[in-house]
Amino acid sequence: GENVEQHPSTLSVQEGDSAVIKCTYSDSASNYFPWYKQELGKGPQLIIDIRSNVGEKKDQRIAVTLNKTAKHFSLHITETQPEDSAVYFCAASIYSQGGSEKLVFGKGTKLTVNP
Amino acid sequence: ETGVTQSPTHLIKTRGQQVTLRCSSQSGHNTVSWYQQALGQGPQFIFQYYREEENGRGNFPPRFSGLQFPNYSSELNVNALELDDSALYLCASSLDPGQQETQYFGPGTRLLVL
Repeated sequence: GENVEQHPSTLSVQEGDSAVIKCTYSDSASNYFPWYKQELGKGPQLIIDIRSNVGEKKDQRIAVTLNKTAKHFSLHITETQPEDSAVYFCAASIYSQGGSEKLVFGKGTKLTVNP
Repeated sequence: ETGVTQSPTHLIKTRGQQVTLRCSSQSGHNTVSWYQQALGQGPQFIFQYYREEENGRGNFPPRFSGLQFPNYSSELNVNALELDDSALYLCASSLDPGQQETQYFGPGTRLLVL
């Protein structure tokens, strides 16, 4: 079945520390893996994504790694700041024969960065 | 900001009523996907519209239906509302499906069913 597991569900770090969120997915046909940040009362905002032809991607303090063999991908945030506090979602893209491309989301990680 | 807008922002309905939610996609995007996000959960795929046709549906009953217009804006209709339909409804716009295109989300419509 289509499933994305995300861990941990909550994460509390001190400002300046690193945060790591891990996800696993079940559909081996998935080739696109976005990460979204959702602040209270807002819609999910894309922060970084990775496609299956690369193993790692970095954008300033944020990096994502992908291991297609293990069906595992991770988000790394370095030098965390209080404004990084939010709920983070991983997702895996699934393309159906009918032509749709949907995202299957994890359950989210609530990150709290303490000043 | 993503350029994706949704209306209304909040809505209160009673069980059995019908509701219509609206979404304007980002300029140049021809695909709109709708998701339901229950409190404390990740978004769940309802369906997707591509060039005015539904091209995929998640595990939602037929009382969830939609439309996409020639300007690629979209509506989500829910009939015979149930208490469990209370959630944040998100739309996301993107380019052609099947191309690993980014989905950009709107701010959502929070629906409360009493």
